[in-house]
Amino acid sequence: GDSVTQMEGPVTLSEEAFLTINCTYTATGYPSLFWYVQYPGEGLQLLLKATKADDKGSNKGFEATYRKETTSFHLEKGSVQVSDSAVYFCALNSGGSNYKLTFGKGTLLTVNP
Amino acid sequence: EAGVTQFPSHSVIEKGQTVTLRCDPISGHDNLYWYRRVMGKEIKFLLHFVKESKQDESGMPNNRFLAERTGGTYSTLKVQPAELEDSGVYFCASSQGVSQRGHGYTFGSGTRLTVV
Repeated sequence: GDSVTQMEGPVTLSEEAFLTINCTYTATGYPSLFWYVQYPGEGLQLLLKATKADDKGSNKGFEATYRKETTSFHLEKGSVQVSDSAVYFCALNSGGSNYKLTFGKGTLLTVNP
Repeated sequence: EAGVTQFPSHSVIEKGQTVTLRCDPISGHDNLYWYRRVMGKEIKFLLHFVKESKQDESGMPNNRFLAERTGGTYSTLKVQPAELEDSGVYFCASSQGVSQRGHGYTFGSGTRLTVV
């Protein structure tokens, strides 16, 4: 079945540091890939997405590239801010008539000033 | 436009008690979904409503869980009796049409359930 594996947290960085959160997946077909973020006290929000190989999703300075050959969708940001502190979830949808999302376990990021 | 609203935001109950979680979707969204994140694990799909009808409840863990959506508006998820392993965060989401390839979801902030 479908699965998502993302790096275990927590991750603690200083402001302006470079961020990478690794995500790899197993899926049938050609999945759509997503990163969701949950800021403290808020709901899950879609951060970025990619629907086909080599697509790059980007938003708020975050980027992730759909790598079919390595089945990966790593999240990166060049310079994190304190306001980026949140839990980040990698997710996929394996397509077809399937509407469900398959999530990873989440990675807690804390950015210190 | 109001988002997806869930309450309570937190609930602490004793093992064996009953708890009811509520979700108010975005107005006009016919599709409503429940997901759950058990501590330290993945967020997993529980079930999907289209209006008042359950379309897919394949993710419901057992018959202690009962979801309803009377009138096709808000939904409730009742756990009776609650067990320790039910602790986690319960997310609700809605979409106007059925989510296509995982797109179109709007999630709520979740209800954190702790069973002691």
